[in-house]
Amino acid sequence: SAVISQKPSRDICQRGTSLTIQCQVDSQVTMMFWYRQQPGQSLTLIATANQGSEATYESGFVIDKFPISRPNLTFSTLTVSNMSPEDSSIYLCSVESRGPFNEQFFGPGTRLTVL
Amino acid sequence: GESVGLHLPTLSVQEGDNSIINCAYSNSASDYFIWYKQESGKGPQFIIDIRSNMDKRQGQRVTVLLNKTVKHLSLQIAATQPGDSAVYFCAENRLEYGNKLVFGAGTILRVKS
Repeated sequence: SAVISQKPSRDICQRGTSLTIQCQVDSQVTMMFWYRQQPGQSLTLIATANQGSEATYESGFVIDKFPISRPNLTFSTLTVSNMSPEDSSIYLCSVESRGPFNEQFFGPGTRLTVL
Repeated sequence: GESVGLHLPTLSVQEGDNSIINCAYSNSASDYFIWYKQESGKGPQFIIDIRSNMDKRQGQRVTVLLNKTVKHLSLQIAATQPGDSAVYFCAENRLEYGNKLVFGAGTILRVKS
């Protein structure tokens, strides 16, 4: 499985500011995904990030609020813009394996608290 | 809308007993299912998966059962250990939608020593 790291691991931010979360993978992967996990809840897919093309956003998520970059096959960023307390969540990136079943592996997550 | 859900939000078991975590899904077109384990402060960890053309798959101490007739998925953990305490999620992967995962609500497994 791929080794995935995220920065920062946690942050406390003020309302109205923006935070960029980085996701680094130790091998080249085609598809990377960004998820949100609100406190005590399950994971919800925000968007799919493919290298060389714009991210594809799920219903309820927009590029202006969650801009994503994917400059190469091992790295992606997610920005949470103009934050409000409702954005307090864990943000997770995942990658698709190269195995026969395309399982996804997750990074450790970024715990964001917005005051 | 279509969703993947769980019957029990919390499951407490005695160390050494077997655990069974259940999951119901609503989309009969789902073709791939995954179980993840999430420990506090960590990302979900892949446990085991199963394709829709299978009924059972076994791993180390874990077994996944798929009953397509009633759209039910279960994870069985043998000889549950304190290190198994975590939140367990089932996820549905519809290959036709480009490997997007739809997660269930999650079950908290507590192992009593």
